[in-house]
Amino acid sequence: EAGVTQFPSHSVIEKGQTVTLRCDPISGHDNLYWYRRVMGKEIKFLLHFVKESKQDESGMPNNRFLAERTGGTYSTLKVQPAELEDSGVYFCASSRVRGGEQFFGPGTRLTVL
Amino acid sequence: GQNIDQPTEMTATEGAIVQINCTYQTSGFNGLFWYQQHAGEAPTFLSYNVLDGLEEKGRFSSFLSRSKGYSYLLLKELQMKDSASYLCSGISYNTDKLIFGTGTRLQVFP
Repeated sequence: EAGVTQFPSHSVIEKGQTVTLRCDPISGHDNLYWYRRVMGKEIKFLLHFVKESKQDESGMPNNRFLAERTGGTYSTLKVQPAELEDSGVYFCASSRVRGGEQFFGPGTRLTVL
Repeated sequence: GQNIDQPTEMTATEGAIVQINCTYQTSGFNGLFWYQQHAGEAPTFLSYNVLDGLEEKGRFSSFLSRSKGYSYLLLKELQMKDSASYLCSGISYNTDKLIFGTGTRLQVFP
């Protein structure tokens, strides 16, 4: 069984540009989560999808961030326009059941210059 | 708030035993997870405690006291490959989001 995959693994962009991160959860996992770790800080929750619906988006920092999960399979996280403070590692995780073990992807390291 | 506190760094010797402590505010969590993360890789699941007591899984054990807001991860017979960050995280009662501590970076020396 393939694990959670994320693309790209690294992205370097300039302030003001747009970046789209992609996450493919484990097949059959209805629950998909986005987290972010900025340098020196703990991993922080961004949002949670159940299938294609946003269950909890309380961690989204501002309206420059847009997450989608059309069709309830893969998800994208778009940052537009990117700011310097958006730099960090963006993790995606999925779980089969709510409250169960969350399987993490390797993360996308985003650097905004 | 739902702060989670754990030591920033620890060192230990190959073959030894190490205990990584984690404290948290008692309200709002339905259970505690421990994840291992090697540099540049995904966090991988180690254990989940929802009830008080000790859960043993091979060389790794995890303990939880809900009344005291305290958990620890015990690593026995340390190996060099155990050098990694260990993340303590709580899962909320009414949401599924994980609240993480900053992680404990463990270095195992020969």
